[in-house]
Amino acid sequence: SYELTQPPSVSVSPGQTASITCSGDKLGHKFACWYQQKPGQSPVLVIYQDTKRPSGIPERFSGSNSGNTATLTISGTQAMDEADYYCQAWDSSTPVVFGGGTKLTVL
Amino acid sequence: EVQLLESGGGLVQPGGSLRLSCAASGFTFSNYAMSWVRQAPGKGLEWVSAISGSGGFTYYADSVKGRFTISRDNSKNTLLYLQMNSLRAEDTAVYYCAKGGANYYDSSTFWSLDWGQGTMVTVSS
Repeated sequence: SYELTQPPSVSVSPGQTASITCSGDKLGHKFACWYQQKPGQSPVLVIYQDTKRPSGIPERFSGSNSGNTATLTISGTQAMDEADYYCQAWDSSTPVVFGGGTKLTVL
Repeated sequence: EVQLLESGGGLVQPGGSLRLSCAASGFTFSNYAMSWVRQAPGKGLEWVSAISGSGGFTYYADSVKGRFTISRDNSKNTLLYLQMNSLRAEDTAVYYCAKGGANYYDSSTFWSLDWGQGTMVTVSS
């Protein structure tokens, strides 16, 4: 079955750029999306189809996907961005899989 | 405004059954695929199942295949269901229903913009 691998945690200082990676075999040949989840809340879609931002998502959130790695980049990270982030992709064998999640700490 | 409201969760013994429902409003229900995603306490998200807008295509994670059945009512009730049989302790989780990106569910539309608040399922004796 297809697997997506994320780092368990990423730390960033306020105002700096945070990058969260998601790795999977030939992931760049598939679409990836990203969700933000804060404690006790439902997930929020922040990036879909690799690079698209839903309405209402700040421009500081961006995505890329190439080779075996998709990346969520948060520019000018704010304290409110502290959350768990999950990548998701489609694979014909699964067909949908989530990464294990990355806890983003803003300190 | 899209609203998704799950119900039907609760405590059930191992081997038992439960049916979850998700009441949808604020959009043309039959025009969108729907999915179920779960999250065990303190753990990450796990995709469970999905169904196309017409209900003609269904998809399951290996962990629930043969035990869970997804279905939908596109008539007056606009409801999504998840029938869960032969429940195990590892099925304990918050179950979310989520709206897909289009009528069909595939490599370009599997993402979910709208999510419900979730319903808790606890499998324990």
